[in-house]
Amino acid sequence: GNSVTQMEGPVTLSEEAFLTINCTYTATGYPSLFWYVQYPGEGLQLLLKATKADDKGSNKGFEATYRKETTSFHLEKGSVQVSDSAVYFCALSDDYKLSFGAGTTVTVRA
Amino acid sequence: NAGVTQTPKFQVLKTGQSMTLQCAQDMNHNSMYWYRQDPGMGLRLIYYSASEGTTDKGEVPNGYNVSRLNKREFSLRLESAAPSQTSVYFCASSDRQGPGNTIYFGEGSWLTVV
Repeated sequence: GNSVTQMEGPVTLSEEAFLTINCTYTATGYPSLFWYVQYPGEGLQLLLKATKADDKGSNKGFEATYRKETTSFHLEKGSVQVSDSAVYFCALSDDYKLSFGAGTTVTVRA
Repeated sequence: NAGVTQTPKFQVLKTGQSMTLQCAQDMNHNSMYWYRQDPGMGLRLIYYSASEGTTDKGEVPNGYNVSRLNKREFSLRLESAAPSQTSVYFCASSDRQGPGNTIYFGEGSWLTVV
């Protein structure tokens, strides 16, 4: 079956630091890959997605590239802000259901 | 711009009590979902409804029932609540089947079973 493994947290960074959250997946077929973000007390919001190999999703300074050869979809941001403090979830879909990773809590300190 | 609305936001139940979580979406989406979120486990699919009139089990359906009341509404029922069902529940919807579709989430319902 499908599964997603993402870097365990928590991750604590200083403002303007570089953020990487690793995500690898196992799937049959050709899944689409997503990053969702959950701010404290809120639901999940789509951050970015990629639907085929070598696609790069980007949004709000975050980027992730769909790497089929390494079955990975690592999330990166070059300079984080305090407002980026949240829980980040990697997810995949090969039909109409999402399979999620466990989530990575990121705290950015001023 | 409501999107996915779920109620109640917070609920405390005693073991053995029943309750229904309500969910409605105003985006004319065909597919709706119920997930639960537990620490360190991400989100796990409880039930989903690919289209009006159909429902299917997800990863963790035991102890739950669902009803797709119409295209807009998808409710989740706990018939006899157990402490293991203490969790945050998210309703979600998407406009189509197939990979690449974006799923939109409600704000969550915090349920505690004592």
